[in-house]
Amino acid sequence: GAGVSQSPRYKVAKRGQDVALRCDPISGHVSLFWYQQALGQGPEFLTYFQNEAQLDKSGLPSDRFFAERPEGSVSTLKIQRTQQEDSAVYLCASSSQGAGGDTQYFGPGTRLTVL
Amino acid sequence: DAKTTQPTSMDCAEGRAANLPCNHSTISGNEYVYWYRQIHSQGPQYIIHGLKNNETNEMASLIITEDRKSSTLILPHATLRDTAVYYCIVRVYTFGNEKLTFGTGTRLTIIP
Repeated sequence: GAGVSQSPRYKVAKRGQDVALRCDPISGHVSLFWYQQALGQGPEFLTYFQNEAQLDKSGLPSDRFFAERPEGSVSTLKIQRTQQEDSAVYLCASSSQGAGGDTQYFGPGTRLTVL
Repeated sequence: DAKTTQPTSMDCAEGRAANLPCNHSTISGNEYVYWYRQIHSQGPQYIIHGLKNNETNEMASLIITEDRKSSTLILPHATLRDTAVYYCIVRVYTFGNEKLTFGTGTRLTIIP
């Protein structure tokens, strides 16, 4: 079946603009994760949903970052008033159950460049 | 979650076995060892995980030392498509701790 998809694949924003990044998880997957990957670094956790509930948002770097998953399927990561330091690849992952330890399947990521 | 240490980079000849080491000397009894890899411009891909027994699947083998302070991921017959960054992650297998904590990984280059 289809894997995790993300859109857009590339986004260029001017500093101060708002952006919205979309994630379509694998159908039926309960858990959804967002990670941020700076150039040359490993992915860093941002936030986690189980169905529509956001259970962990400890990795969100500032209050300009907001994520939602209103119907427990598609998720959107929104960044307000983008800054140059927000430039990174944003990865979405999903897994099939709520319990820890299940394999996370990653999408291809959205590369955000803030000018 | 316990911290891991991996070499920054490694080379391996095509067709040979690639052995990627990982040190996790502060691992606790309920922490699993996971391996993911990331091919250029793609998201990370799960490879294998284990607790204390050696594990094998269609992609790789995972060898964990008896004291669990280190492990080795083995790709038995490396191909050019195995060129990627490989991440060793140690993590507690419990509800509420689903996130993965990546380090900087090992950049494996398969040489033709």
